[in-house]
Amino acid sequence: DAGVIQSPRHEVTEMGQEVTLRCKPISGHNSLFWYRQTMMRGLELLIYFNNNVPIDDSGMPEDRFSAKMPNASFSTLKIQPSEPRDSAVYFCASRRQGGSYNSPLHFGNGTRLTVT
Amino acid sequence: AQSVTQLDSHVSVSEGTPVLLRCNYSSSYSPSLFWYVQHPNKGLQLLLKYTSAATLVKGINGFEAEFKKSETSFHLTKPSAHMSDAAEYFCVVTPPHYGGSQGNLIFGKGTKLSVKP
Repeated sequence: DAGVIQSPRHEVTEMGQEVTLRCKPISGHNSLFWYRQTMMRGLELLIYFNNNVPIDDSGMPEDRFSAKMPNASFSTLKIQPSEPRDSAVYFCASRRQGGSYNSPLHFGNGTRLTVT
Repeated sequence: AQSVTQLDSHVSVSEGTPVLLRCNYSSSYSPSLFWYVQHPNKGLQLLLKYTSAATLVKGINGFEAEFKKSETSFHLTKPSAHMSDAAEYFCVVTPPHYGGSQGNLIFGKGTKLSVKP
């Protein structure tokens, strides 16, 4: 089990640039979550997918943020244009969801984004 | 509606002394509950989970938690703290069925545990 894989681990970019964060969930997991973590706001859910379909994107801050899941093994979170206030650690997590039991979330190691 | 409250934002203990991190929940259903640990610059790692089986749940690294329905609590304990336990701990509540907003996962705000030598 390779775990949830995120790339890059660190991203430093200038304001206005496009940023793309990538995530490969654990094989067999059908739910994928994107979270953002900052000192000020803690852990925030941005969006989550079930079976590649976005279910709840109410946490996406604004239109500059978009997320896709073209297949069961890959998701991207894009910020265009980026702003300094987007600086945070972005986590991807996956789980097997369904039936009467919710399996726990498995988190990647995160992407630390710095926008200057 | 569900909610979870971690009563302490920061707990400090001495190495070798017991650890108690408190978590209270509110749920319309019999919930599933989890504790996660986050070490600096790392993702969240599952410590233990309660899913309506035994009320006393044992996790990794010597941690355990007891589900008390009458008190709506799921406190995390460890008999003897180790320096490596210094981290942030999150309590999570979710109902037994799936769907809904937030993916049904409600995170507490976290408790930072410091361990003094």
